This record gives sequence, structure tokens and C-alpha cells, in this order.
Amino acid sequence: GDSVTQMEGPVTLSEEAFLTINCTYTATGYPSLFWYVQYPGEGLQLLLKATKADDKGSNKGFEATYRKETTSFHLEKGSVQVSDSAVYFCALYSSNTGNQFYFGTGTSLTVIP
Amino acid sequence: KAGVTQTPRYLIKTRGQQVTLSCSPISGHRSVSWYQQTPGQGLQFLFEYFSETQRNKGNFPGRFSGRQFSNSRSEMNVSTLELGDSALYLCASSGDDRAKLFFGSGTQLSVL
Repeated sequence: GDSVTQMEGPVTLSEEAFLTINCTYTATGYPSLFWYVQYPGEGLQLLLKATKADDKGSNKGFEATYRKETTSFHLEKGSVQVSDSAVYFCALYSSNTGNQFYFGTGTSLTVIP
Repeated sequence: KAGVTQTPRYLIKTRGQQVTLSCSPISGHRSVSWYQQTPGQGLQFLFEYFSETQRNKGNFPGRFSGRQFSNSRSEMNVSTLELGDSALYLCASSGDDRAKLFFGSGTQLSVL
């Protein structure tokens, strides 16, 4: 079945460091891919998305490119800030499997000043 | 526009009890989905309701049930609680674009 595997955390970085959180997926057909972010005590918020191969999603300095050949959707940011500290979830959505979202287990990021 | 509202924010129950959680979606959204979030498993899909009908269901035992009312508000019920049911339960609503989810802040359930 469809699934998402993402890099385990926690990840601790210094402010202005480069961030990569790896995400790979297994899916039948052509899913849409997402990154959600969860700040402490809150629900998930959509960070960015890509709906087809080679699409790049971007928002708030974060980017991810839909790579069909490597079934990956890695999240990157060139210079992290303390306010980026949160849990990040990779997810896929496929109409082939009942219009259901599949989420990764989440990666906790802490940015220290 | 108000966001997705979940009540209560925290719940403490004992094994064997039952619990009901409530979710009010964004105005105009007719789809409500429920997820269980635990540290080791991430988000697990419970079920989705649309116009008062269950449209999709995850792999959870029958102790987990839900319903949706005519105003799109949804409730989730867990009967005969087990320790492993301790989790953050998240509700999400969507409008015409089912791939665009808006999440509430969740209900943190602790089973003692």
C-alpha cells in the first residue's frame, strides 16, 4: 500500500544552518506530495505541496521538489531560524487509494540561537 | 473565518470508560477527517465523513466510531478505552479540494 518514510529525528541545528529533512514515498499512480508543520500545542499547517513530477513547492524559504525517479520529496531550507523549531510531516494524497492522506512519522526540528 | 475547533482540549479517562470528542469544521466545509497522532506512529487515519456519511475508513477497531451532523460538526467516540488509546486526536476539515486539509489543535487523551 501507499506509505511515506521520513528521516527520523530529532534534528538540532544552529541558527542560519542549512536544513534537509529526507522523505521518500511508495505509491501506486501519481500522488500529490505535501509537507505539513506542527508548532507546539497546535494542529498541522500546510507548509508546501507539489502535485506532479518535477514540481517544486516553496513557502517561507522552504522548498521541496517532487522526484519521481527517486520517489523522494526532501524538504530544504537554506538558513533556519529559531522560529522554525517544530515538527515536520511529509505526506502523500492519492485518489487511487480512496482519496486518503498518508503521513510520515514526523521529524522534530530544534533550532538554537 | 474561524478555524477548525476541537473540544475538549484535554481529557483524562480510565481504562474501560468511553469518550466522545467534538470537532467543528471551518464554515462551509462538508468533509471532516479524524487522525490519531502518537509519537512512534505519527498520524494514523481514522475515518472521514462527508455530508453525514462515512466516506472512508482507516484500520482501527470497531471501538472507534464517528458521526457527522447536518451542520457538518463531527463527533468521534471511543468505547472501552485501552491504555494504548492515549494520543492526540486531530480533526481536519476540507472543502471542495479534498487534498487541502485544515487541522484543529487536537484533543489530548490520556488513558490511565
